[in-house]
Amino acid sequence: RKEVEQDPGPFNVPEGATVAFNCTYSNSASQSFFWYRQDCRKEPKLLMSVYSSGNEDGRFTAQLNRASQYISLLIRDSKLSDSATYLCVVNRYYGQNFVFGPGTRLSVLP
Amino acid sequence: EPEVTQTPSHQVTQMGQEVILRCVPISNHLYFYWYRQILGQKVEFLVSFYNNEISEKSEIFDDQFSVERPDGSNFTLKIRSTKLEDSAMYFCASSDQTSGRVEQYFGPGTRLTVT
Repeated sequence: RKEVEQDPGPFNVPEGATVAFNCTYSNSASQSFFWYRQDCRKEPKLLMSVYSSGNEDGRFTAQLNRASQYISLLIRDSKLSDSATYLCVVNRYYGQNFVFGPGTRLSVLP
Repeated sequence: EPEVTQTPSHQVTQMGQEVILRCVPISNHLYFYWYRQILGQKVEFLVSFYNNEISEKSEIFDDQFSVERPDGSNFTLKIRSTKLEDSAMYFCASSDQTSGRVEQYFGPGTRLTVT
């Protein structure tokens, strides 16, 4: 089983739609969780860290379910500029490597 | 806003040649990393570096790879004898690791093409 799994998509949604991405991880020792976005041929950019209590940043909401080893990202009121690949990322300990999921591609259509 | 920088943005080299990819991490960060991404594939960890030594490395990071922090600001990745399959984007990242902050910030990458 892969350490971090995501539905590759693509998700094609109209502007203004709400879209949700899921991610599962296999290593129960994972400590920290993140969502990054990556535009084509660019570097991953931190979107948000994911906390056990869930957290929100504007139109973005992230949730973590440690019991099910599952992370989610909800995007409300999608904008054209949200079109990108969304990467689920986990790591086990401070200073240790990030393990990336394969990413979920989102296209927001006018 | 401080950022990680990388040079060059694109490097073309012939198989068997040595290449050095350069990175300047964010200045107060303590941990440095190299990742690679082969076109169309996921981002893969290569190596992490802390306190002037490698703290972790992946199976990909074999004897042809080495890292160095030659001075107080640069962090380099050397590939001794490049192979065709080394063609990829190479991303440098750094993180603070103080106050529980483990987020990693990535540079814009160096696209390495081995011919």
